[in-house]
Amino acid sequence: DVKVTQSSRYLVKRTGEKVFLECVQDMDHENMFWYRQDPGLGLRLIYFSYDVKMKEKGDIPEGYSVSREKKERFSLILESASTNQTSMYLCASSGRRSTQYFGPGTRLTVL
Amino acid sequence: AQTVTQSQPEMSVQEAETVTLSCTYDTSESDYYLFWYKQPPSRQMILVIRQEAYKQQNATENRFSVNFQKAAKSFSLKISDSQLGDAAMYFCAYRTYGSGNTGKLIFGQGTTLQVKP
Repeated sequence: DVKVTQSSRYLVKRTGEKVFLECVQDMDHENMFWYRQDPGLGLRLIYFSYDVKMKEKGDIPEGYSVSREKKERFSLILESASTNQTSMYLCASSGRRSTQYFGPGTRLTVL
Repeated sequence: AQTVTQSQPEMSVQEAETVTLSCTYDTSESDYYLFWYKQPPSRQMILVIRQEAYKQQNATENRFSVNFQKAAKSFSLKISDSQLGDAAMYFCAYRTYGSGNTGKLIFGQGTTLQVKP
């Protein structure tokens, strides 16, 4: 079975802190994705990566950056967390022509 | 640009009954994938069913089946013999098929399904 894991299920941070959300997949997938999910807004793509060290902006990249140094790991970075970044963050991965598989999500609260 | 629309924010069904969730999409491509994902409350998003646009036969997966109408750009999900565990938010999603694609999904807004005992 495909496994996508995220470093934390719940995270509480303070405004201005630097926050790292990590995602690891075990299926040798080329593509990895970070989404943000908010009530009434559905899933919105923040960033994605189609290869190691390659990244592209999604629909809402402002305030976020990403890192993909190894194929299996894709990190989302909030350089200076703000309260409007309180949300559920979902990581996903897929092969070139395969289904996208999701991690369990990280619920981030920024105080 | 492709879009996906789920016009039913909420639906409810009686246990053991059948319910259909609607999804329409807009694209100029001829080859693509369509998906239904399920997200139970506070739980992981999982794939329910997948359809390749070049296949005329509607995909089925146990109690879940789709009605894929390519010309109408419609992709509805039918859940038969609904169970309490089917209660979740359901997302319809589109993915382009062509070479060089990055696997990006375009999601609908989601439909929350309530199952009544």
